[in-house]
Amino acid sequence: GAVVSQHPSRVICKSGTSVKIECRSLDFQATTMFWYRQFPKQSLMLMATSNEGSKATYEQGVEKDKFLINHASLTLSTLTVTSAHPEDSSFYICSAGGVTEAFFGQGTRLTVV
Amino acid sequence: AQSVSQHNHHVILSEAASLELGCNYSYGGTVNLFWYVQYPGQHLQLLLKYFSGDPLVKGIKGFEAEFIKSKFSFNLRKPSVQWSDTAEYFCAVNERRDDKIIFGKGTRLHILP
Repeated sequence: GAVVSQHPSRVICKSGTSVKIECRSLDFQATTMFWYRQFPKQSLMLMATSNEGSKATYEQGVEKDKFLINHASLTLSTLTVTSAHPEDSSFYICSAGGVTEAFFGQGTRLTVV
Repeated sequence: AQSVSQHNHHVILSEAASLELGCNYSYGGTVNLFWYVQYPGQHLQLLLKYFSGDPLVKGIKGFEAEFIKSKFSFNLRKPSVQWSDTAEYFCAVNERRDDKIIFGKGTRLHILP
């Protein structure tokens, strides 16, 4: 099946710094990718829809200026957590592919200290 | 807004026991339904899906799920679990009119050898 690669798998950063997470579709082109966030024992919450060549669409309650999304090519979307704080510590997952079968990255565990 | 409820957060079973994981959704319109599984250290992957037709859906590894429209349910079943079924299972729903997939909180399944 199609593969989506997410990098890094784990990152620890200092409070106030920014962290970039990459999501790549390895063997198919993805005009749309999705970014999710998962708190411990919570659901995967959709944060935003990343659209190639245009602005991302954010879900209600997600800060656009804090979670910057760039989808510059058909195979790459990036999520940048700006001025990270400990409450941003979470598990972030991207997905690509259509509804018939979405493919997920392995996730990124972000810890802000 | 639509939501997905998974009744069990953590299930522990012995090998060969039968499994049923509950899932209910709140959206009243036309939906697609999914079960995803995440094995330890691996990507989230599709277990089975329902779009239309026979409400009893067969998936990989002996799993099946039944869509009961009147109950807004899509429960996952397996007659006899194996140790290798230890994983986290997510029920998910997608409104037919867009590509967003909404997830339940997940059920962590632990099979005792």
